[in-house]
Amino acid sequence: DIVLTQSPALAVSLGQRATISCRASQSVSISRYNLMHWYQQKPGQQPKLLIYRASNLASGIPARFSGSGSGTDFTLTINPVQADDIATYYCQQSRESPPTFGAGTKLELK
Amino acid sequence: EVQLVESGGGLVQPGRSMKLSCAASGFTFNNYDMAWVCQAPKKGLEWVATISYDGSSTYYRDSVKGRFTISRDNAKSTLYLQMDSLRSEDTATYYCASLRRGFDYWGQGVMVTVSS
Repeated sequence: DIVLTQSPALAVSLGQRATISCRASQSVSISRYNLMHWYQQKPGQQPKLLIYRASNLASGIPARFSGSGSGTDFTLTINPVQADDIATYYCQQSRESPPTFGAGTKLELK
Repeated sequence: EVQLVESGGGLVQPGRSMKLSCAASGFTFNNYDMAWVCQAPKKGLEWVATISYDGSSTYYRDSVKGRFTISRDNAKSTLYLQMDSLRSEDTATYYCASLRRGFDYWGQGVMVTVSS
Protein backbone atom coordinates (compact mmCIF):
# COMPACT_ATOMS: atom_id res chain seq x y z
CA ASP A 1 0.00 0.00 0.00
CA ILE A 2 1.13 3.58 -0.63
CA VAL A 3 1.86 5.29 2.67
CA LEU A 4 1.19 9.02 2.95
CA THR A 5 3.11 10.94 5.62
CA GLN A 6 1.85 14.21 7.09
CA SER A 7 3.05 16.25 10.05
CA PRO A 8 0.61 15.82 12.97
CA ALA A 9 0.03 19.52 13.62
CA LEU A 10 0.78 23.02 12.40
CA ALA A 11 0.34 26.25 14.37
CA VAL A 12 -0.37 29.44 12.45
CA SER A 13 -1.56 32.98 13.10
CA LEU A 14 -4.73 34.32 11.53
CA GLY A 15 -3.97 36.15 8.28
CA GLN A 16 -0.74 34.25 7.72
CA ARG A 17 0.11 31.50 5.25
CA ALA A 18 -0.21 27.84 6.20
CA THR A 19 1.68 25.18 4.26
CA ILE A 20 0.73 21.55 4.87
CA SER A 21 2.84 18.84 3.32
CA CYS A 22 2.19 15.25 2.31
CA ARG A 23 4.88 12.80 1.21
CA ALA A 24 4.03 9.53 -0.55
CA SER A 25 6.07 6.34 -0.20
CA GLN A 26 6.07 6.05 -4.01
CA SER A 27 5.04 8.23 -6.93
CA VAL A 28 1.30 8.93 -7.23
CA SER A 29 1.63 10.60 -10.65
CA ILE A 30 0.70 9.04 -13.99
CA SER A 31 1.74 11.01 -17.04
CA ARG A 32 0.40 14.55 -16.44
CA TYR A 33 -2.02 13.45 -13.71
CA ASN A 34 -1.03 13.83 -10.10
CA LEU A 35 -3.47 11.59 -8.25
CA MET A 36 -3.38 13.32 -4.87
CA HIS A 37 -6.39 14.95 -3.26
CA TRP A 38 -6.90 17.09 -0.15
CA TYR A 39 -9.78 17.14 2.35
CA GLN A 40 -10.78 19.33 5.27
CA GLN A 41 -12.55 17.88 8.30
CA LYS A 42 -13.92 19.95 11.16
CA PRO A 43 -14.82 18.29 14.51
CA GLY A 44 -18.11 16.40 14.31
CA GLN A 45 -18.41 16.89 10.56
CA GLN A 46 -17.79 14.82 7.47
CA PRO A 47 -14.69 15.46 5.36
CA LYS A 48 -14.96 17.94 2.49
CA LEU A 49 -13.00 17.77 -0.78
CA LEU A 50 -10.81 20.86 -1.19
CA ILE A 51 -8.34 20.04 -3.94
CA TYR A 52 -8.41 17.23 -6.49
CA ARG A 53 -5.53 15.94 -8.62
CA ALA A 54 -3.00 17.98 -6.66
CA SER A 55 -3.89 21.47 -7.85
CA ASN A 56 -7.55 21.73 -8.88
CA LEU A 57 -9.93 23.63 -6.62
CA ALA A 58 -13.13 21.72 -5.86
CA SER A 59 -16.49 23.36 -6.41
CA GLY A 60 -17.34 26.10 -3.91
CA ILE A 61 -13.91 26.14 -2.26
CA PRO A 62 -12.42 29.63 -1.64
CA ALA A 63 -9.42 30.67 -3.70
CA ARG A 64 -7.25 31.07 -0.57
CA PHE A 65 -6.80 27.28 -0.79
CA SER A 66 -4.32 25.98 -3.33
CA GLY A 67 -2.41 22.79 -3.99
CA SER A 68 0.82 21.88 -5.71
CA GLY A 69 3.26 19.05 -6.16
CA SER A 70 4.01 15.98 -8.21
CA GLY A 71 5.57 12.56 -7.83
CA THR A 72 5.91 11.98 -4.09
CA ASP A 73 5.77 15.49 -2.60
CA PHE A 74 2.63 17.56 -2.34
CA THR A 75 1.58 20.74 -0.57
CA LEU A 76 -1.69 22.33 0.48
CA THR A 77 -1.46 26.08 1.03
CA ILE A 78 -3.98 28.29 2.81
CA ASN A 79 -3.30 32.00 2.38
CA PRO A 80 -4.46 33.88 4.32
CA VAL A 81 -5.64 31.61 7.12
CA GLN A 82 -9.05 32.48 8.51
CA ALA A 83 -10.64 31.35 11.76
CA ASP A 84 -13.02 29.07 9.81
CA ASP A 85 -10.02 27.12 8.47
CA ILE A 86 -9.13 25.59 11.82
CA ALA A 87 -9.60 21.89 11.10
CA THR A 88 -7.75 18.70 10.28
CA TYR A 89 -6.48 18.28 6.73
CA TYR A 90 -5.97 14.93 5.03
CA CYS A 91 -4.22 14.01 1.81
CA GLN A 92 -5.38 10.96 -0.16
CA GLN A 93 -3.94 9.11 -3.16
CA SER A 94 -5.89 7.36 -5.90
CA ARG A 95 -2.86 6.18 -7.90
CA GLU A 96 -3.11 2.62 -6.64
CA SER A 97 -5.62 0.45 -4.86
CA PRO A 98 -6.26 0.56 -2.02
CA PRO A 99 -6.80 4.32 -1.92
CA THR A 100 -4.99 5.56 1.17
CA PHE A 101 -5.14 8.65 3.38
CA GLY A 102 -2.50 10.46 5.35
CA ALA A 103 -2.95 10.54 9.12
CA GLY A 104 -4.02 14.16 8.98
CA THR A 105 -2.51 17.53 9.95
CA LYS A 106 -4.34 19.49 12.62
CA LEU A 107 -4.20 23.21 11.92
CA GLU A 108 -4.07 25.16 15.17
CA LEU A 109 -3.94 28.82 16.06
CA LYS A 110 -0.66 30.22 17.33
CA GLU B 1 -27.90 20.17 -4.01
CA VAL B 2 -26.03 16.90 -3.58
CA GLN B 3 -27.15 14.92 -0.54
CA LEU B 4 -25.92 11.61 0.81
CA VAL B 5 -27.80 10.38 3.87
CA GLU B 6 -26.60 7.29 5.72
CA SER B 7 -28.74 5.16 8.01
CA GLY B 8 -28.69 1.82 9.79
CA GLY B 9 -25.92 2.24 12.36
CA GLY B 10 -26.01 1.56 16.08
CA LEU B 11 -24.77 -0.90 18.70
CA VAL B 12 -24.20 -4.51 17.64
CA GLN B 13 -22.59 -7.49 19.35
CA PRO B 14 -19.38 -9.03 18.03
CA GLY B 15 -20.04 -11.68 15.40
CA ARG B 16 -23.41 -10.21 14.43
CA SER B 17 -24.44 -8.38 11.25
CA MET B 18 -25.54 -4.90 10.32
CA LYS B 19 -26.58 -3.26 7.05
CA LEU B 20 -25.92 0.38 6.27
CA SER B 21 -27.78 2.37 3.63
CA CYS B 22 -26.93 5.63 1.90
CA ALA B 23 -29.67 7.49 0.04
CA ALA B 24 -28.39 9.79 -2.69
CA SER B 25 -30.02 12.80 -4.32
CA GLY B 26 -29.06 15.89 -6.29
CA PHE B 27 -26.86 14.12 -8.83
CA THR B 28 -27.08 11.30 -11.38
CA PHE B 29 -26.33 8.42 -9.01
CA ASN B 30 -25.94 5.78 -11.70
CA ASN B 31 -23.11 7.73 -13.35
CA TYR B 32 -20.86 7.58 -10.27
CA ASP B 33 -18.70 4.98 -8.63
CA MET B 34 -19.44 5.01 -4.90
CA ALA B 35 -17.49 4.13 -1.78
CA TRP B 36 -17.60 3.62 1.97
CA VAL B 37 -14.92 5.24 4.13
CA CYS B 38 -14.67 4.75 7.89
CA GLN B 39 -13.15 6.65 10.79
CA ALA B 40 -12.53 4.98 14.15
CA PRO B 41 -13.03 7.25 17.18
CA LYS B 42 -10.32 9.92 17.32
CA LYS B 43 -8.54 8.32 14.35
CA GLY B 44 -7.98 9.05 10.67
CA LEU B 45 -9.87 8.10 7.54
CA GLU B 46 -9.75 4.60 6.09
CA TRP B 47 -11.20 3.40 2.79
CA VAL B 48 -13.49 0.37 3.16
CA ALA B 49 -14.97 -0.53 -0.22
CA THR B 50 -15.81 0.78 -3.69
CA ILE B 51 -18.46 -0.21 -6.22
CA SER B 52 -18.51 0.77 -9.88
CA TYR B 53 -21.30 2.95 -11.29
CA ASP B 54 -23.19 -0.06 -12.64
CA GLY B 55 -22.45 -2.43 -9.77
CA SER B 56 -20.41 -4.76 -11.94
CA SER B 57 -17.15 -4.32 -10.00
CA THR B 58 -16.45 -4.18 -6.29
CA TYR B 59 -13.25 -3.66 -4.29
CA TYR B 60 -12.53 -4.10 -0.57
CA ARG B 61 -9.77 -3.42 1.91
CA ASP B 62 -8.13 -6.62 3.03
CA SER B 63 -9.47 -6.49 6.60
CA VAL B 64 -13.12 -6.63 5.46
CA LYS B 65 -12.85 -8.99 2.49
CA GLY B 66 -15.23 -11.90 2.92
CA ARG B 67 -17.12 -10.12 5.73
CA PHE B 68 -18.47 -6.92 4.12
CA THR B 69 -20.46 -6.59 0.88
CA ILE B 70 -20.99 -3.33 -0.96
CA SER B 71 -23.96 -3.09 -3.31
CA ARG B 72 -26.21 -0.54 -4.92
CA ASP B 73 -29.72 -0.10 -6.28
CA ASN B 74 -29.57 2.50 -9.03
CA ALA B 75 -33.35 2.56 -9.39
CA LYS B 76 -33.54 3.73 -5.77
CA SER B 77 -30.31 5.82 -5.85
CA THR B 78 -29.15 3.93 -2.78
CA LEU B 79 -25.82 2.46 -1.72
CA TYR B 80 -25.51 -0.35 0.82
CA LEU B 81 -22.90 -1.95 3.02
CA GLN B 82 -23.71 -5.36 4.46
CA MET B 83 -21.39 -6.02 7.38
CA ASP B 84 -21.18 -9.60 8.71
CA SER B 85 -19.03 -11.20 11.41
CA LEU B 86 -18.46 -7.80 12.97
CA ARG B 87 -15.45 -7.28 15.20
CA SER B 88 -14.67 -4.69 17.86
CA GLU B 89 -12.11 -3.13 15.51
CA ASP B 90 -14.92 -2.34 13.03
CA THR B 91 -16.22 0.27 15.48
CA ALA B 92 -16.20 3.55 13.55
CA THR B 93 -18.22 6.21 11.82
CA TYR B 94 -19.00 5.04 8.31
CA TYR B 95 -19.32 7.58 5.52
CA CYS B 96 -20.62 6.99 2.02
CA ALA B 97 -18.94 9.07 -0.66
CA SER B 98 -19.20 9.61 -4.39
CA LEU B 99 -16.11 8.94 -6.44
CA ARG B 100 -15.16 11.09 -9.36
CA ARG B 101 -12.43 13.60 -8.66
CA GLY B 102 -11.30 12.01 -5.44
CA PHE B 103 -14.12 11.46 -2.95
CA ASP B 104 -16.28 14.35 -4.15
CA TYR B 105 -19.23 14.34 -1.80
CA TRP B 106 -19.67 12.75 1.61
CA GLY B 107 -22.61 11.85 3.77
CA GLN B 108 -22.83 12.98 7.39
CA GLY B 109 -21.76 9.54 8.58
CA VAL B 110 -23.34 6.84 10.72
CA MET B 111 -21.79 5.39 13.88
CA VAL B 112 -21.33 1.64 14.24
CA THR B 113 -20.32 0.35 17.66
CA VAL B 114 -19.37 -3.31 17.99
CA SER B 115 -19.44 -4.31 21.63
CA SER B 116 -20.92 -6.92 23.92
